[in-house]
Amino acid sequence: EIVLTQSPATLSLSPGERATLSCRASQSVSYYLVWYQQKPGQAPRLLIYDASTTAPGIPARFSGSGSGTDFTLTISSLEPEDFAVYYCHQRSNWPPTFGQGTKVEIK
Amino acid sequence: QVQLVQSGAEVKKPGASVKVSCRASGYTFTSYGISWVRQAPGQGLEWMAWISAYNGNTNYAQKFLGRVTMTTDTSTSTAYMELRSLKYDDTAVYYCARDSIRVGATNPVYYWGQGTPITVSS
Repeated sequence: EIVLTQSPATLSLSPGERATLSCRASQSVSYYLVWYQQKPGQAPRLLIYDASTTAPGIPARFSGSGSGTDFTLTISSLEPEDFAVYYCHQRSNWPPTFGQGTKVEIK
Repeated sequence: QVQLVQSGAEVKKPGASVKVSCRASGYTFTSYGISWVRQAPGQGLEWMAWISAYNGNTNYAQKFLGRVTMTTDTSTSTAYMELRSLKYDDTAVYYCARDSIRVGATNPVYYWGQGTPITVSS
């Protein structure tokens, strides 16, 4: 199965700062890479699919890029509600797998 | 609007079984599949299995083969996930999610249930 490795594990930033999260796949997933946001006690929320397509209702400050094995989620200017855990997820090759998550915390 | 409503929290003893339900509404149940994903306390997300609500075809993650059974009841638009021979490390929140009608699909999963906490404790 494809292993997704996210970095860093924790990102400590202040509101208004730019966040850059990385996800690396153990083999190519083409562009079939998804990003989710999860807050405590909530189900995951779809942010980005197909590596760079923003899901409906997601603010423009969220963007995704990459293909093959290296992907990036960028939050251009952090809002208070953006502090959460972010997971990358691939469905290119079944079984679907998730990264271990990056926690974006308030500095 | 699409909704997936799961059954409530349960506490089970090691070795027991648990069956979680996921009732769908707001869409044609048999036009999609259901995936199950779990999350242990403080841990990440783990995909477990998928079932087609159209024909009952299933696909399981290797580690759950033989211990998980998924079924659907199309008359009530409900999917079920039964996990047997429970162990302490099965303690987790179990989520259902609306998935593609076919295995191997690359479409993203958008709709999730609210999660069902399962605690395995003696």
